[in-house]
Amino acid sequence: AQSVAQPEDQVNVAEGNPLTVKCTYSVSGNPYLFWYVQYPNRGLQFLLKYITGDNLVKGSYGFEAEFNKSQSSFHLKEPSALVSDSALYFCAAAPSYNTDKLIFGTGTRLQVFP
Amino acid sequence: GAVVSQHPSWVICKSGTSVKIECRSLDFQATTMFWYRQFPKQSLMLMATSNEGSKATYEQGVEKDKFLINHASLTLSTLTVTSAHPEDSSFYICSASQGQLIEAFFGQGTRLTVV
Repeated sequence: AQSVAQPEDQVNVAEGNPLTVKCTYSVSGNPYLFWYVQYPNRGLQFLLKYITGDNLVKGSYGFEAEFNKSQSSFHLKEPSALVSDSALYFCAAAPSYNTDKLIFGTGTRLQVFP
Repeated sequence: GAVVSQHPSWVICKSGTSVKIECRSLDFQATTMFWYRQFPKQSLMLMATSNEGSKATYEQGVEKDKFLINHASLTLSTLTVTSAHPEDSSFYICSASQGQLIEAFFGQGTRLTVV
């Protein structure tokens, strides 16, 4: 079965420090990869995507993600965390033959401390 | 980016009643809409895929007769939870696609509480 894994339930980081939220995938072919953020009682907001090209993808709010095909990973990064970044982050993948069907990871709660 | 609006944002209903949730694409035509369910501290579970003018495709384990989905126009899909039970209480989220998806546009979600 195809899946997306986010091994950390929660990531804690001090404001101003760099952060990484991990994501690995097991999806056939060359999947499309996404990161979304969810604030309490809200829907998902798109952060960034990788389809092809440069392995480092830059997205909204200063976030970026690095695609590593050999490790099947798509880790989310930010050079300097803000308290306002505290939220729930979801990694998702879509098979290239059915890009409508997103497979979500279980989510990682990011807590940025002042 | 495109805007998807979900209504209501929250609803409380009695056991045995039905609840309708609307999902609208405000500034684009959505040929496909998706309905997800999210349990506390868990990921989104795809319930069904809704294509305009045709029957929805339900994921395995999702009861078609309980979760009625209608996609009557290119801008509106509805999810009706019929004969609601407390275990149906959850956060329901829709998303919309313009076709060949590059990124999904999500509604703000509906929190359903069945008492």
